Amino acid sequence: ILNVEQSPQSLHVQEGDSTNFTCSFPSSNFYALHWYRWETAKSPEALFVMTLNGDEKKKGRISATLNTKEGYSYLYIKGSQPEDSATYLCASAFAAGNKLTFGGGTRVLVKP
Amino acid sequence: NAGVTQTPKFRILKIGQSMTLQCAQDMNHNYMYWYRQDPGMGLKLIYYSVGAGITDKGEVPNGYNVSRSTTEDFPLRLELAAPSQTSVYFCASSYSQGDNEQFFGPGTRLTVL
Repeated sequence: ILNVEQSPQSLHVQEGDSTNFTCSFPSSNFYALHWYRWETAKSPEALFVMTLNGDEKKKGRISATLNTKEGYSYLYIKGSQPEDSATYLCASAFAAGNKLTFGGGTRVLVKP
Repeated sequence: NAGVTQTPKFRILKIGQSMTLQCAQDMNHNYMYWYRQDPGMGLKLIYYSVGAGITDKGEVPNGYNVSRSTTEDFPLRLELAAPSQTSVYFCASSYSQGDNEQFFGPGTRLTVL
Protein backbone atom coordinates (compact mmCIF):
# COMPACT_ATOMS: atom_id res chain seq x y z
CA ILE A 1 0.00 0.00 0.00
CA LEU A 2 1.43 3.39 -1.02
CA ASN A 3 0.67 6.06 1.59
CA VAL A 4 0.12 9.70 0.81
CA GLU A 5 0.13 11.80 3.96
CA GLN A 6 -1.06 15.37 4.45
CA SER A 7 -0.31 17.67 7.36
CA PRO A 8 -1.73 19.31 9.24
CA GLN A 9 -5.21 17.72 9.19
CA SER A 10 -6.75 21.12 9.78
CA LEU A 11 -5.72 24.70 10.32
CA HIS A 12 -7.32 28.02 11.11
CA VAL A 13 -6.02 31.10 9.33
CA GLN A 14 -6.82 34.74 9.92
CA GLU A 15 -8.07 36.60 6.87
CA GLY A 16 -5.16 38.25 5.11
CA ASP A 17 -2.54 35.88 6.49
CA SER A 18 -0.60 33.48 4.30
CA THR A 19 -0.36 29.79 5.01
CA ASN A 20 1.06 26.57 3.64
CA PHE A 21 0.69 22.85 4.21
CA THR A 22 2.35 19.64 3.14
CA CYS A 23 1.74 16.52 1.12
CA SER A 24 4.22 13.65 1.57
CA PHE A 25 4.46 10.67 -0.75
CA PRO A 26 6.88 7.80 -1.49
CA SER A 27 9.51 9.13 -3.87
CA SER A 28 10.14 5.82 -5.63
CA ASN A 29 8.24 5.30 -8.90
CA PHE A 30 6.78 8.81 -8.69
CA TYR A 31 4.77 9.82 -11.75
CA ALA A 32 2.48 12.75 -10.92
CA LEU A 33 1.16 14.81 -8.01
CA HIS A 34 -2.32 16.34 -8.00
CA TRP A 35 -3.85 19.02 -5.78
CA TYR A 36 -7.63 19.36 -5.48
CA ARG A 37 -9.76 21.92 -3.71
CA TRP A 38 -12.92 20.56 -2.08
CA GLU A 39 -15.53 22.95 -0.75
CA THR A 40 -18.21 21.74 1.64
CA ALA A 41 -21.24 20.23 -0.13
CA LYS A 42 -19.45 20.36 -3.48
CA SER A 43 -17.18 17.99 -5.37
CA PRO A 44 -13.38 18.17 -5.59
CA GLU A 45 -11.95 20.42 -8.32
CA ALA A 46 -8.45 20.18 -9.68
CA LEU A 47 -5.97 22.94 -8.83
CA PHE A 48 -2.70 21.59 -10.17
CA VAL A 49 -1.11 18.52 -11.72
CA MET A 50 2.67 18.40 -11.42
CA THR A 51 5.09 15.86 -12.83
CA LEU A 52 8.61 17.32 -12.79
CA ASN A 53 10.98 17.70 -9.85
CA GLY A 54 11.21 21.38 -8.95
CA ASP A 55 7.93 22.13 -10.69
CA GLU A 56 6.03 25.16 -9.44
CA LYS A 57 2.44 26.00 -10.34
CA LYS A 58 0.40 29.11 -9.58
CA LYS A 59 -3.27 30.01 -9.85
CA GLY A 60 -4.13 33.41 -8.45
CA ARG A 61 -3.09 33.47 -4.78
CA ILE A 62 -2.54 29.71 -4.61
CA SER A 63 0.72 28.08 -5.60
CA ALA A 64 2.38 24.70 -5.24
CA THR A 65 5.90 23.30 -5.32
CA LEU A 66 7.11 19.77 -5.86
CA ASN A 67 10.18 17.86 -4.65
CA THR A 68 10.10 14.36 -6.10
CA LYS A 69 13.50 13.33 -4.73
CA GLU A 70 12.46 13.77 -1.12
CA GLY A 71 8.78 13.07 -1.70
CA TYR A 72 6.88 16.21 -0.73
CA SER A 73 4.80 19.03 -2.13
CA TYR A 74 3.76 22.28 -0.50
CA LEU A 75 0.59 24.22 -1.22
CA TYR A 76 0.72 27.94 -0.41
CA ILE A 77 -2.17 30.36 0.00
CA LYS A 78 -1.16 34.01 -0.03
CA GLY A 79 -3.37 36.58 1.69
CA SER A 80 -6.07 34.06 2.70
CA GLN A 81 -9.69 35.01 2.09
CA PRO A 82 -12.85 33.42 3.56
CA GLU A 83 -13.60 31.88 0.15
CA ASP A 84 -10.35 29.88 0.46
CA SER A 85 -11.99 27.85 3.23
CA ALA A 86 -12.07 24.28 1.91
CA THR A 87 -10.41 20.90 2.22
CA TYR A 88 -7.30 20.61 0.05
CA LEU A 89 -6.54 17.10 -1.19
CA CYS A 90 -3.35 15.87 -2.70
CA ALA A 91 -3.03 12.64 -4.67
CA SER A 92 -0.13 10.85 -6.26
CA ALA A 93 0.28 8.47 -9.17
CA PHE A 94 3.23 6.12 -8.87
CA ALA A 95 3.69 4.87 -12.38
CA ALA A 96 2.61 5.83 -15.86
CA GLY A 97 -1.00 4.87 -16.33
CA ASN A 98 -1.46 4.23 -12.63
CA LYS A 99 -4.42 5.30 -10.55
CA LEU A 100 -4.27 8.04 -7.91
CA THR A 101 -3.74 7.50 -4.20
CA PHE A 102 -5.27 10.32 -2.16
CA GLY A 103 -4.12 11.80 1.12
CA GLY A 104 -6.55 12.51 3.95
CA GLY A 105 -6.75 16.22 3.18
CA THR A 106 -5.98 19.47 4.99
CA ARG A 107 -9.07 21.34 6.11
CA VAL A 108 -8.51 25.12 5.98
CA LEU A 109 -10.82 27.57 7.74
CA VAL A 110 -10.19 31.26 7.08
CA LYS A 111 -11.62 33.49 9.77
CA PRO A 112 -12.79 37.02 8.81
CA ASN B 1 -21.21 20.07 -21.37
CA ALA B 2 -22.79 18.63 -18.23
CA GLY B 3 -19.46 17.09 -17.16
CA VAL B 4 -19.89 14.19 -14.73
CA THR B 5 -23.40 13.55 -13.46
CA GLN B 6 -24.50 11.21 -10.67
CA THR B 7 -27.90 9.97 -9.54
CA PRO B 8 -29.40 9.81 -7.02
CA LYS B 9 -28.11 12.61 -4.78
CA PHE B 10 -29.29 10.92 -1.61
CA ARG B 11 -30.50 7.44 -0.72
CA ILE B 12 -31.38 5.52 2.42
CA LEU B 13 -31.17 1.73 2.20
CA LYS B 14 -32.05 -1.02 4.60
CA ILE B 15 -29.47 -3.68 5.38
CA GLY B 16 -29.49 -6.34 2.67
CA GLN B 17 -31.10 -4.17 -0.01
CA SER B 18 -29.48 -3.58 -3.38
CA MET B 19 -29.11 -0.50 -5.49
CA THR B 20 -27.22 0.97 -8.42
CA LEU B 21 -25.52 4.34 -8.33
CA GLN B 22 -25.51 5.90 -11.76
CA CYS B 23 -22.64 7.89 -13.25
CA ALA B 24 -22.34 9.43 -16.69
CA GLN B 25 -19.87 11.77 -18.38
CA ASP B 26 -20.09 13.63 -21.68
CA MET B 27 -16.42 14.54 -22.12
CA ASN B 28 -15.52 11.37 -24.06
CA HIS B 29 -13.11 10.35 -21.31
CA ASN B 30 -11.87 6.79 -21.41
CA TYR B 31 -11.00 6.62 -17.73
CA MET B 32 -13.67 6.54 -15.04
CA TYR B 33 -13.48 5.95 -11.29
CA TRP B 34 -15.63 5.33 -8.24
CA TYR B 35 -14.48 6.64 -4.86
CA ARG B 36 -15.97 6.61 -1.42
CA GLN B 37 -15.30 9.32 1.13
CA ASP B 38 -15.08 8.37 4.76
CA PRO B 39 -14.57 11.09 7.41
CA GLY B 40 -10.93 12.04 7.84
CA MET B 41 -9.85 9.42 5.32
CA GLY B 42 -9.88 11.35 2.07
CA LEU B 43 -11.03 9.37 -0.96
CA LYS B 44 -10.67 5.61 -1.36
CA LEU B 45 -10.83 4.07 -4.83
CA ILE B 46 -13.48 1.35 -5.19
CA TYR B 47 -13.29 0.45 -8.90
CA TYR B 48 -12.00 2.05 -12.05
CA SER B 49 -12.26 1.57 -15.79
CA VAL B 50 -9.84 2.38 -18.59
CA GLY B 51 -12.41 2.04 -21.34
CA ALA B 52 -15.67 0.39 -22.35
CA GLY B 53 -15.66 -3.26 -21.37
CA ILE B 54 -12.62 -2.96 -19.07
CA THR B 55 -12.85 -2.59 -15.29
CA ASP B 56 -10.51 -3.26 -12.39
CA LYS B 57 -10.55 -3.24 -8.60
CA GLY B 58 -9.30 -0.35 -6.50
CA GLU B 59 -8.41 -0.31 -2.81
CA VAL B 60 -11.84 -1.13 -1.35
CA PRO B 61 -13.86 -3.20 -3.90
CA ASN B 62 -15.56 -5.67 -1.52
CA GLY B 63 -19.34 -5.40 -1.59
CA TYR B 64 -19.44 -3.56 -4.91
CA ASN B 65 -19.61 -4.37 -8.60
CA VAL B 66 -19.27 -2.25 -11.72
CA SER B 67 -19.81 -2.51 -15.43
CA ARG B 68 -18.77 -0.32 -18.35
CA SER B 69 -20.78 -1.08 -21.45
CA THR B 70 -20.37 2.39 -22.98
CA THR B 71 -17.76 5.15 -22.78
CA GLU B 72 -20.30 7.46 -21.14
CA ASP B 73 -21.71 5.32 -18.31
CA PHE B 74 -20.11 3.66 -15.30
CA PRO B 75 -22.71 2.38 -12.81
CA LEU B 76 -21.78 1.09 -9.35
CA ARG B 77 -23.82 -1.77 -7.91
CA LEU B 78 -24.27 -2.57 -4.22
CA GLU B 79 -25.71 -6.07 -3.92
CA LEU B 80 -26.27 -6.56 -0.18
CA ALA B 81 -26.06 -3.21 1.56
CA ALA B 82 -24.29 -3.12 4.92
CA PRO B 83 -23.93 -0.27 7.44
CA SER B 84 -20.21 -0.11 6.60
CA GLN B 85 -21.19 1.12 3.15
CA THR B 86 -22.68 4.30 4.57
CA SER B 87 -20.61 6.95 2.85
CA VAL B 88 -20.52 9.62 0.18
CA TYR B 89 -19.75 8.17 -3.24
CA PHE B 90 -18.02 10.16 -5.96
CA CYS B 91 -17.68 9.23 -9.60
CA ALA B 92 -14.86 10.82 -11.60
CA SER B 93 -13.45 10.72 -15.09
CA SER B 94 -10.23 11.74 -16.81
CA TYR B 95 -8.69 11.81 -20.26
CA SER B 96 -5.95 9.47 -19.08
CA GLN B 97 -4.60 8.18 -15.80
CA GLY B 98 -1.82 9.60 -13.71
CA ASP B 99 -0.93 12.92 -15.25
CA ASN B 100 -4.40 14.19 -16.19
CA GLU B 101 -6.75 15.88 -13.77
CA GLN B 102 -9.87 14.04 -12.70
CA PHE B 103 -13.31 15.60 -13.01
CA PHE B 104 -15.70 14.71 -10.21
CA GLY B 105 -19.44 14.33 -10.11
CA PRO B 106 -21.57 15.93 -7.35
CA GLY B 107 -21.63 12.80 -5.20
CA THR B 108 -24.27 10.42 -3.83
CA ARG B 109 -24.86 10.35 -0.07
CA LEU B 110 -25.84 6.82 0.93
CA THR B 111 -27.04 5.75 4.37
CA VAL B 112 -27.55 2.08 5.22
CA LEU B 113 -29.68 1.45 8.29
